[in-house]
Amino acid sequence: GENVEQHPSTLSVQEGDSAVIKCTYSDSASNYFPWYKQELGKGPQLIIDIRSNVGEKKDQRIAVTLNKTAKHFSLHITETQPEDSAVYFCAASWASGTYKYIFGTGTRLKVLA
Amino acid sequence: SQTIHQWPATLVQPVGSPLSLECTVEGTSNPNLYWYRQAAGRGLQLLFYSVGIGQISSEVPQNLSASRPQDRQFILSSKKLLLSDSGFYLCASSSSTDTQYFGPGTRLTVL
Repeated sequence: GENVEQHPSTLSVQEGDSAVIKCTYSDSASNYFPWYKQELGKGPQLIIDIRSNVGEKKDQRIAVTLNKTAKHFSLHITETQPEDSAVYFCAASWASGTYKYIFGTGTRLKVLA
Repeated sequence: SQTIHQWPATLVQPVGSPLSLECTVEGTSNPNLYWYRQAAGRGLQLLFYSVGIGQISSEVPQNLSASRPQDRQFILSSKKLLLSDSGFYLCASSSSTDTQYFGPGTRLTVL
């Protein structure tokens, strides 16, 4: 069945450094890849997304890259700040009317001041 | 933009008691609605989704059920809670596009 692998499970970086989280998906029909940030005790919030017809998308300090051939996509956070500390989830979806997601297992990011 | 409301925010229930969690959506019509469960420190498990009133699809066999009595209302229920039903329950909504937006969640503890 469909699967999304996410690495690393935990990541610690110094404030100001960059952080990279990687996801690999199994279903080549997947065409939409959102990233969510979840703070403790809260619901996930969409931070950036990318569709299969685009290779890269950037929004201020956050960027996502997609390699359809290799079936992987990555989240890049530059100039990390303590408030970036959270759990990040990737997901893959495909056009089916139900818009169901397959989520990765999450990455706990700690930004050390 | 759409807003998802969930209540209650927290709930402590004894084993064997019934459950009703409610999710309502504002700012959109005819959304797809989803119930997820998240165990402590874990990922998101899709429990149910609905593409319309009265249309419910179950993803995993379990002690829970879902209903959609109105276009923007989604309810998660159980007749008798188990210890294993404890977790963080999240409602999500998507409409016209494939982007899902999540509510604030309900923390359920079964004792």
